[in-house]
Amino acid sequence: DGGITQSPKYLFRKEGQNVTLSCEQNLNHDAMYWYRQDPGQGLRLIYYSQIVNDFQKGDIAEGYSVSREKKESFPLTVTSAQKNPTAFYLCASDRGTYNEQFFGPGTRLTVL
Amino acid sequence: QKEVEQNSGPLSVPEGAIASLNCTYSDRGSQSFFWYRQYSGKSPELIMFIYSNGDKEDGRFTAQLNKASQYVSLLIRDSQPSDSATYLCASRNAGNMLTFGGGTRLMVKP
Repeated sequence: DGGITQSPKYLFRKEGQNVTLSCEQNLNHDAMYWYRQDPGQGLRLIYYSQIVNDFQKGDIAEGYSVSREKKESFPLTVTSAQKNPTAFYLCASDRGTYNEQFFGPGTRLTVL
Repeated sequence: QKEVEQNSGPLSVPEGAIASLNCTYSDRGSQSFFWYRQYSGKSPELIMFIYSNGDKEDGRFTAQLNKASQYVSLLIRDSQPSDSATYLCASRNAGNMLTFGGGTRLMVKP
């Protein structure tokens, strides 16, 4: 089945820890995105990548980092510099301009 | 700041009624518009997208776009309790980025 997978589903982070969220897609999509959703809020763009080995900051990139070494994979690292990381993190992908964007199942991150 | 605005709701309709969800956007350069449904604790799933002025129908769903008024709407006919969810409106700009509204919570009462 084609789709987007994210792991883990739930993640707990201690203060000062870096954690990495996984996102993989087998849809052959060129573009991949990371969003953050806080309770009762819409989605805010963290980082996006429109091609392998290239990525751009979104609206709220501070405290996050990404890599895009393979077309299928776009991991997100939440660093200790992100002061309020508790949120629902969503990975998405699409074929580019004028194409629909699809979402993975999400990772819920909680800081202990 | 380019914005997409939605009434947070909740919008409550009886089963079988038409639910009307509305969205306004500020970026006149927006080229396409998307409606996503999000159940509590789940990720958004795409319902419909629309590029041209007018109506676009898919089953019980109709998306309406008025670029002059910068207004997008989603009509759900014969609403079912299973339609109860948060509906997110998003606009796509020329740079291929999506801007999301905060969502409208819909409650369909049996």
